Amino acid sequence: AQSVSQHNHHVILSEAASLELGCNYSYGGTVNLFWYVQYPGQHLQLLLKYFSGDPLVKGIKGFEAEFIKSKFSFNLRKPSVQWSDTAEYFCAVNARQSGGNMLTFGGGTRLMVKP
Amino acid sequence: KAGVTQTPRYLIKTRGQQVTLSCSPISGHRSVSWYQQTPGQGLQFLFEYFSETQRNKGNFPGRFSGRQFSNSRSEMNVSTLELGDSALYLCASSTRRDTDFLAGYEQYFGPGTRLTVT
Repeated sequence: AQSVSQHNHHVILSEAASLELGCNYSYGGTVNLFWYVQYPGQHLQLLLKYFSGDPLVKGIKGFEAEFIKSKFSFNLRKPSVQWSDTAEYFCAVNARQSGGNMLTFGGGTRLMVKP
Repeated sequence: KAGVTQTPRYLIKTRGQQVTLSCSPISGHRSVSWYQQTPGQGLQFLFEYFSETQRNKGNFPGRFSGRQFSNSRSEMNVSTLELGDSALYLCASSTRRDTDFLAGYEQYFGPGTRLTVT
């Protein structure tokens, strides 16, 4: 069975600091990879996704992520965070062979950005 | 385009009762998935419906069931509620097509139904 690990449960940064959130998954086959964000009081929103092609993907609000197949990783980055980035971030994986849309989520990382 | 809608948004039930939650996907989306979100277990996949058929099922007891209607709207039912069923239940829809069974699809989430079991 696939699993997803997010190493940082809580991250506190000051505005303008750079962000990197780690995500590792365990599955040997082809995967689709996602980062979702949940702002306080709001529903889950898709930040970015990787299906195939260029392993460096860009998403909304200046976020990007790099898929490193050899490391089973899909880390999320942002060069300069803003107070409005305060939210919980979830990495998710869908194993292609499972068919359909069964997402396995990591435990989430709560990011607090201090103004 | 309207997003995924879920009703009701909040629900309080007593142990032993049953509950039905409803989800209307984005127009044109035929796949609906359900997830449970709790502080302890995080986000866990319940099941997916596509063209009125259950296509995938997570590791939940048989008390959790669902169905999908011809208009793609979906309901999930939990029977004999337990305290541990208290959670946020999320519905997500996607543009999955039968011809691309193994392709990747984005899922769009609704606001969820907050179920409290007392």
